[in-house]
Amino acid sequence: DAKTTQPNSMESNEEEPVHLPCNHSTISGTDYIHWYRQLPSQGPEYVIHGLTSNVNNRMASLAIAEDRKSSTLILHRATLRDAAVYYCIPYAGGTSYGKLTFGQGTILTVHP
Amino acid sequence: NAGVTQTPKFQVLKTGQSMTLQCAQDMNHEYMSWYRQDPGMGLRLIHYSVGAGITDQGEVPNGYNVSRSTTEDFPLRLLSAAPSQTSVYFCASSPETSGGGKQYFGPGTRLTVT
Repeated sequence: DAKTTQPNSMESNEEEPVHLPCNHSTISGTDYIHWYRQLPSQGPEYVIHGLTSNVNNRMASLAIAEDRKSSTLILHRATLRDAAVYYCIPYAGGTSYGKLTFGQGTILTVHP
Repeated sequence: NAGVTQTPKFQVLKTGQSMTLQCAQDMNHEYMSWYRQDPGMGLRLIHYSVGAGITDQGEVPNGYNVSRSTTEDFPLRLLSAAPSQTSVYFCASSPETSGGGKQYFGPGTRLTVT
């Protein structure tokens, strides 16, 4: 499994953009990069995923480095509801179908 | 759709007792799985199923049994509870179209074993 490195914690102010980094230098060429978040006392929630190109959806944007050794989850305007633990997860699929490996993640604090 | 539901929300067991954590989904997903999350840690995969009648072990399967007789339900059985099984348990399901990477998680069951 590819190892990931994320900051233990980050802080942001409400309505400001947030850039959450993740290093995954050992990622395989066919692994997708998934991001999940976990709000307090809830189950994880899928945020976004990508392979090579940058991706956008209603929740966030995902910027993937050209060498794929790192990625950044971008929350364009943080709200108090975005305070959560964010997990960056390389996902292989195939023989590892469905197996998500959660690390420690980044605790995001959003200040009003 | 109710999504993924789990019962009970909270449970306290004595060492040696057995119980079943229930998980159901109404999205017709073939893939279902169970994770546990210990305080301050990420989730770890216990067991998973790629369809009715098919189950397999994850990273930490010891002390747990599963079965999958229907697409909708995937119960997790604790055979003889131990304090080390105190944790929050999450069930998840995934549509085949996502390749297994996009999973929908339930709200969790918080289990304490004394």
